[in-house]
Order: sequence, then C-alpha cells, then structure tokens
Amino acid sequence: GNSVTQMEGPVTLSEEAFLTINCTYTATGYPSLFWYVQYPGEGLQLLLKATKADDKGSNKGFEATYRKETTSFHLEKGSVQVSDSAVYFCARAFSSQGGSEKLVFGKGTKLTVNP
Amino acid sequence: DTAVSQTPKYLVTQMGNDKSIKCEQNLGHDTMYWYKQDSKKFLKIMFSYNNKELIINETVPNRFSPKSPDKAHLNLHINSLELGDSAVYFCASSQDWRATDTQYFGPGTRLTVL
Repeated sequence: GNSVTQMEGPVTLSEEAFLTINCTYTATGYPSLFWYVQYPGEGLQLLLKATKADDKGSNKGFEATYRKETTSFHLEKGSVQVSDSAVYFCARAFSSQGGSEKLVFGKGTKLTVNP
Repeated sequence: DTAVSQTPKYLVTQMGNDKSIKCEQNLGHDTMYWYKQDSKKFLKIMFSYNNKELIINETVPNRFSPKSPDKAHLNLHINSLELGDSAVYFCASSQDWRATDTQYFGPGTRLTVL
C-alpha cells in the first residue's frame, strides 16, 4: 500500500523532556516525507520535510531524518515546551498513475506538554 | 492579512439541507484543496484544483461539488447533508500541484449536521 503509520497518542510530557513521535511509511519508491503540526483551533502548517533518503529536516528545534532502510521519518525534539502542545501529522507524497500528486497523512499524534 | 481564509468558521444545520463553504487565498498560489478531518483527527483529501481545473477527485459522494470561480477561490457545496458529513473541513493552497510544495491551510470550518 501507500500509507503512513504514526504512533498512537496521546503523548503527555513535562516541559524540557525529550520527544520522539514515530512514523513509518510504505511505498514502492522514495517519496518525499513531511511533518505538519496543528495547534489548537488552527489549520495545519508545515513543520519540516525531507525530499530524499538520508535528508534531515529541521525547524523550531524539531528534527526528522529520512531513513530508507527502516522506512521511517521519526520526529524528535530535545527539550519540549508548553507551546509545542499540538497534534503532529506525518505525511508522504503520493503520485497517481494519472500524474496527479497528493499528501497522504497519518492519523495524527496529540502531544500535551505540562509545565 | 490571512493567507488562506474560510467562511463560515462554524456551521450547524439540519439533515437534508444544502450548504456552502467558501475559501479564499491571497498567496497567489495556483493550486487549492479541500480536506475533511473527522472526529478522530484523521485528515483526508477530497478535491484539488490547479488553475481552476479539477485535478484530484477522491472517492467523495457526488453530493459534494467544488467550484473554483478563479485561482484565488475554491468553494465547496454540499447537497442533502447527512449526519456523517459532520467534520472539520479545511481548505489549503500551494504554489503548484506537486506534493512536495508546501501546503498552507485555512483555519477550518466545523460542520455539525443534526
């Protein structure tokens, strides 16, 4: 298939804790991979992306490395803040035979960071 | 200035009614999308338009009809609303149709069908 699997939430951490949210994908090739974040009451926004194997995407202290050996794109942050509380979505690019392209999203992982 | 805006923000209506949601982007993008997010936060694409042309039409009931009067607008009309249509609907836009292009999402429209 062409799917994205994320770890089930919710995840609750204390401020300054280390964060990992697992994401794996299935694909016949090497699709571009993304993390989008949805803060409460808002639409999604791109957090980071990687377009080829071994690329590392990073933004706002978050990182994810495209690992083709394990078909994974896990999201990490060394020290989370209360303001990081949000729902995080892993996504992959998907190209249809007709040539159109779309994003396929994982089910989202809700993160709550307590002070 | 809001990059991608949607109206209304909330929509509560009875089963069987017809309703529309409007979306506008002021980013000068060529491609616009409609997504549906269910109560478990699962997000799925419904439609995509590029330069006013429909390029993605997922398996969506034909009660849903998108319309793009120009590149900056993509509206969603829903006929004969059903309970299962209750969800948050997000509009998004991107510079072009490639999936690698960053998508910018609107704030969402929460539709509740009673």
